[in-house]
Amino acid sequence: GQQLNQSPQSMFIQEGEDVSMNCTSSSIFNTWLWYKQDPGEGPVLLIALYKAGELTSNGRLTAQFGITRKDSFLNISASIPSDVGIYFCAGCRSYNTDKLIFGTGTRLQVFP
Amino acid sequence: GAVVSQHPSRVICKSGTSVKIECRSLDFQATTMFWYRQFPKQSLMLMATSNEGSKATYEQGVEKDKFLINHASLTLSTLTVTSAHPEDSSFYICSARDGGTGNTIYFGEGSWLTVV
Repeated sequence: GQQLNQSPQSMFIQEGEDVSMNCTSSSIFNTWLWYKQDPGEGPVLLIALYKAGELTSNGRLTAQFGITRKDSFLNISASIPSDVGIYFCAGCRSYNTDKLIFGTGTRLQVFP
Repeated sequence: GAVVSQHPSRVICKSGTSVKIECRSLDFQATTMFWYRQFPKQSLMLMATSNEGSKATYEQGVEKDKFLINHASLTLSTLTVTSAHPEDSSFYICSARDGGTGNTIYFGEGSWLTVV
């Protein structure tokens, strides 16, 4: 099935550092979403973006919807140990009616 | 907040048998439910989309006769893995769209299937 490409695949950082990851698609999406998944659990929504160029924050997290509608990035500032997990982007043509296509994921490890 | 619950959370079954996984929306009516499969260290791959009262729409490469999806009510969808084999062992996750409040999509906690 279709997947979005995320980079980097994994990151190993020290507590307090900032993190940036991005997601790209070959096709246009009208909604971009960022999720975090802990081991053995379902994904949890972090940020939703509905408009090209939109920049949205949720605490230490900031995400942007690319102007071309083919990419998005997520930044985490001042990382803490509980940020450990897998981050997935997801794209959707219409959030009201369409399915979500997930990215390949970025595994984040934070060392104290 | 809205909750989507899956049952069982873990199941072990013998090769050749069938196993059913339930997905329930506990406090909203789900106009659409989605079923994903996730292998270890991989992403969520959409298997099928189901709307209440109609046949599920399967993604390319997913065998509809092997993965039976029933969405009999607005709060319940079931995934039945028929004639399970060890390669079907995976983490199965459902999500549900809340048709009442902005069509928000909520995810279940996932169900681990191990076929021995």
